[in-house]
Amino acid sequence: KNEVEQSPQNLTAQEGEFITINCSYSVGISALHWLQQHPGGGIVSLFMLSSGKKKHGRLIATINIQEKHSSLHITASHPRDSAVYICAVSQGAQKLVFGQGTRLTINP
Amino acid sequence: GAGVSQTPSNKVTEKGKYVELRCDPISGHTALYWYRQSLGQGPEFLIYFQGTGAADDSGLPNDRFFAVRPEGSVSTLKIQRTERGDSAVYLCASSPGGRGETQYFGPGTRLLVL
Repeated sequence: KNEVEQSPQNLTAQEGEFITINCSYSVGISALHWLQQHPGGGIVSLFMLSSGKKKHGRLIATINIQEKHSSLHITASHPRDSAVYICAVSQGAQKLVFGQGTRLTINP
Repeated sequence: GAGVSQTPSNKVTEKGKYVELRCDPISGHTALYWYRQSLGQGPEFLIYFQGTGAADDSGLPNDRFFAVRPEGSVSTLKIQRTERGDSAVYLCASSPGGRGETQYFGPGTRLLVL
């Protein structure tokens, strides 16, 4: 079993829909990261959080430390949001442990 | 300012050859990370540098893989006797100090071993 599990693996939605991507982890962490990867492109860090909730534009990330679970939400989704979204955790050490990613496709 | 850069962007080599992949981190970042991403998977940790020293090399799969960062800035990942299973995107990231910070990723080097 992977230390970081994401669901769903693939998600297709219509423009304007509210999107939720989930991440569960099985280890103690110092922080959880949400990252975005466009096809053929590099990885961009969206959020780093260790408690509560963060919001940036249409993106919201939440984390529940007790339940070892985090969610990434996208409001009013747009085709340009289509990408792979990756959850990763850091465990006090510096390296990141990644989930397998969620491929999101938003159709116009 | 410039982000993390990696060269080459693509590398095709034959089984058994030696390859070097280069990473230029953001200026002033002391922490540098190498990850490997196979098709359809999330990245996997290879090695982490703090300054010139490898603080954690536990992710290197075997002794064919080696990385250096002699002056604490540019890093080179070296792969000897390449195998087809080494084909992947090799990602480099840097952060200002290392512990619990946002990491900034380069575009990656896509390695194909024929």
